Amino acid sequence: GIQVEQSPPDLILQEGANSTLRCNFSDSVNNLQWFHQNPWGQLINLFYIPSGTKQNGRLSATTVATERYSLLYISSSQTTDSGVYFCAGGGELIFGTGTLLAVQP
Amino acid sequence: EADIYQTPRYLVIGTGKKITLECSQTMGHDKMYWYQQDPGMELHLIHYSYGVNSTEKGDLSSESTVSRIRTEHFPLTLESARPSHTSQYLCASSAGEQFFGPGTRLTVL
Repeated sequence: GIQVEQSPPDLILQEGANSTLRCNFSDSVNNLQWFHQNPWGQLINLFYIPSGTKQNGRLSATTVATERYSLLYISSSQTTDSGVYFCAGGGELIFGTGTLLAVQP
Repeated sequence: EADIYQTPRYLVIGTGKKITLECSQTMGHDKMYWYQQDPGMELHLIHYSYGVNSTEKGDLSSESTVSRIRTEHFPLTLESARPSHTSQYLCASSAGEQFFGPGTRLTVL
């Protein structure tokens, strides 16, 4: 089955800093999503991005399907950005192990 | 408002009890899913359904069972709960992009 690798596994930022999270797939996927899991365990949809680039406020994502990777950019980070970021892809979504982000004031 | 609902949100139960976790969606989606997630870990797919009377097992072996009698309803049942079943269970639905319910945190004593 498809393997999904996320990097880095952990990230600590000062408020206002920018960051890039990466997601690599072992095989091509026809769908790809980014999620943010808040401290209460709820998965929040960030992007549905099988290919190309999308932006939503301070967040943007780029998927290069031919090279089997996706990037999530967080600019001007805020403490509310803290939590776990997951990417997932495949017919039935296969999840990566996540990136745990902590934004310090 | 279109949404995905899960009940209960939290459940603490003794070993050997039968439990059913409820999941309903008003999104109008045919595809529904159940995932299991241990704290701080990735999500694992345990069951999915492409429509009424369709159910399949996911990548992670699970002792739970599911049913899909109505499009909007996808309950998960554990016939005899054990401490190893302690986890968070997340329900989702999709018609392309996948959306998740708030989850059920299950603790089996």
